[in-house]
Amino acid sequence: QKEVEQNSGPLSVPEGAIASLNCTYSDRVSQSFFWYRQYSGKSPELIMSIYSNGDKEDGRFTAQLNKASQYVSLLIRDSQPSDSATYLCAVNDRQGAQKLVFGQGTRLTINP
Amino acid sequence: GAVVSQHPSWVICKSGTSVKIECRSLDFQATTMFWYRQFPKQSLMLMATSNEGSKATYEQGVEKDKFLINHASLTLSTLTVTSAHPEDSSFYICSAPRSGSGLLNEQFFGPGTRLTVL
Repeated sequence: QKEVEQNSGPLSVPEGAIASLNCTYSDRVSQSFFWYRQYSGKSPELIMSIYSNGDKEDGRFTAQLNKASQYVSLLIRDSQPSDSATYLCAVNDRQGAQKLVFGQGTRLTINP
Repeated sequence: GAVVSQHPSWVICKSGTSVKIECRSLDFQATTMFWYRQFPKQSLMLMATSNEGSKATYEQGVEKDKFLINHASLTLSTLTVTSAHPEDSSFYICSAPRSGSGLLNEQFFGPGTRLTVL
C-alpha cells in the first residue's frame, strides 16, 4: 500500500469555481503536511503547509487536515487558468522528520 | 519562501562523461539537503539525503558509486553523475528544509537541472 495516495486526475474545473484536491496518508504518526504546485517542466513550489487539525487559509488556498481520518485536502477558490498544474501532497516521514513522502500528484486543469 | 538555487539549469553531455550539479541554499543554512529525480510524467523519486559533514544516505536501488554526493558546507551540496548514460537523462531537483520552522520543516526546491546524455 502506498503511503500517500492522491487521485492522479486529470481534474477539470471551470474558471471561477472551487477546485478540491484530496490526499490520504497511511502513517498515523505523520506530523506535517504540505501541498506543492508543479508546473510542467518546472520544479515543485510550496504553496501550503499544515500540522494542526482544521483549516488553514492563505489567500485563495485553504488546506484542511483531519488526522483522525488521515486525510488532507487543498481547496482553491476562484480558480484561474494559471492554477492549472500538478499538485503534490507530501507528508513528513516517520523515521526522519525532514524527509518527505510524496503522493503521485493530481493534475488539475482550469477551463476558461 | 526560502531560496534554493541549482546550477546548471540544463546540461547536455556525451555518454561516459561525468556531470556535476550544484545545489545552494541562498538565504538559510541547510545541514540536510535532498536530491530527487523525475522522469517525464512521473512523480518525484527521492535519490538520497545529503548530510553536511557526513556521508549521504541513499535510497534503495540508487547506486552510491554512480551518484556521488558531497555536502561541503551548510549552503552547498553537489551531485555528480559519473559515467553518465542515456538512461540517466532526467530532471534532477534538490531541496532543502529550512530549520527553525518548528514542526513544519518546510522544504524548498531548487529550480532543477535537466540532464540529457547523448
